[in-house]
Amino acid sequence: GENVEQHPSTLSVQEGDSAVIKCTYSDSASNYFPWYKQELGKRPQLIIDIRSNVGEKKDQRIAVTLNKTAKHFSLHITETQPEDSAVYFCASTGFQKLVFGTGTRLLVSP
Amino acid sequence: NAGVMQNPRHLVRRRGQEARLRCSPMKGHSHVYWYRQLPEEGLKFMVYLQKENIIDESGMPKERFSAEFPKEGPSILRIQQVVRGDSAAYFCASSPAKETQYFGPGTRLLVL
Repeated sequence: GENVEQHPSTLSVQEGDSAVIKCTYSDSASNYFPWYKQELGKRPQLIIDIRSNVGEKKDQRIAVTLNKTAKHFSLHITETQPEDSAVYFCASTGFQKLVFGTGTRLLVSP
Repeated sequence: NAGVMQNPRHLVRRRGQEARLRCSPMKGHSHVYWYRQLPEEGLKFMVYLQKENIIDESGMPKERFSAEFPKEGPSILRIQQVVRGDSAAYFCASSPAKETQYFGPGTRLLVL
């Protein structure tokens, strides 16, 4: 089955810096890659997603890139703010279901 | 359009009791997924349902756990004879198709 690896597990940055989180997947048939943000005690919230026919997608300070040949995709957050602090999960479509990475705890210090 | 609803938000059970977790998907969504999350860990897939059908239950323990999504009413995740190891947050998500999933607020189950 699909396996998703996510790195780093924790990431500390200063406010205003950029943050990059990387994921790799195993199933070459996967074609949908969402990213979720989960604040403490809250639900995971979809922040951006990308499909395999697109190499990059941007939404304000957030961007996602996809390399299908290498089977990896990344989340880029620019000009980080303290409210970006949360756990971020990547996911990819295994057969009929999402398979999640283990999460990255991002801490943005003022 | 209300989001995905789950109830109860918190549930306390003693060992051996039954837990029933409910999930109402977003309007127009016919796909429901259940996930389990332990503290400081990721989301583990349990089961995927469409109306009246279980599509994939490969992540659900064979014993004590069951799920349904009837023609009318919410999806229900049922845990019989709960044990302490069942303590976790259980999230459901709904989707209009097989991709984009929107999560509910979760049910936090505590087994004493």
